[in-house]
Amino acid sequence: EAGVAQSPRYKIIEKRQSVAFWCNPISGHATLYWYQQILGQGPKLLIQFQNNGVVDDSQLPKDRFSAERLKGVDSTLKIQPAKLEDSAVYLCASSPMLLGLANTGELFFGEGSRLTVL
Amino acid sequence: LAKTTQPISMDSYEGQEVNITCSHNNIATNDYITWYQQFPSQGPRFIIQGYKTKVTNEVASLFIPADRKSSTLSLPRVSLSDTAVYYCLVGLSGGSYIPTFGRGTSLIVHP
Repeated sequence: EAGVAQSPRYKIIEKRQSVAFWCNPISGHATLYWYQQILGQGPKLLIQFQNNGVVDDSQLPKDRFSAERLKGVDSTLKIQPAKLEDSAVYLCASSPMLLGLANTGELFFGEGSRLTVL
Repeated sequence: LAKTTQPISMDSYEGQEVNITCSHNNIATNDYITWYQQFPSQGPRFIIQGYKTKVTNEVASLFIPADRKSSTLSLPRVSLSDTAVYYCLVGLSGGSYIPTFGRGTSLIVHP
C-alpha cells in the first residue's frame, strides 16, 4: 500500500515570498491533516479536512496560510507571504476516519516538507 | 479535549525495559489512548492504542489502570534504534477527533 506522499521535501525561500506544499493521502482515506512542526516541538495541527470539508482550522494563521482539498483527495497548503517563524517541517497525515463512525484514530504521516525561510 | 502530561526526556541503555507514563486526568469516558513514535526527519508513526487494561503488539505494551487517568507505554529490551520521541494522545469520543500532539518524551538509548 502506498503511503502519504508529500512534495517538495525541502524548500528554501526568502521572507515575504510564497510557497506551496502538496500532499497525496493514502487512497480511500477520508480525513487529511496538515501539521506544522517547529524544531524541538511536537506537531501542531493547522487544518483538518473531512473529505473536502474543513473540520478544524482554529490554529491556521489565515492571514497568510491557506489550504484546500479539491475533490476530497489531494491537498495543497500555501503560505503567502512567508515569515521567518514559518521555518518548520510541514507534515501531512491521513486516516480512514469518518465523523460519527467507529474508527481506529490511526494517523498515517508523510515524510514532511522542510521549509527554511531566510 | 483531554490534556496529556509526559516527561520531557528519558535515558536508558540497550537491553533494558523502558516505561513512559502519560497523565490524562480529564480523559472522557469514550476516549482512547494512542501512542506515536517519531524518528528525526520522519513523520510520527502509530505504535499502539488502547482503551483499558493491557494491550500488547509486536512493538510495545500499553498499560491502562482502572481509573484511566494515566497510561504507560512499555518498550521491552530497547535498542539504539528505539531512540526517538514518543507522543501520547487522548481522544476519539463523541465521533469527533482532533489529534493533538504535546511535546512528547525524548527517549535516548545508550550503548
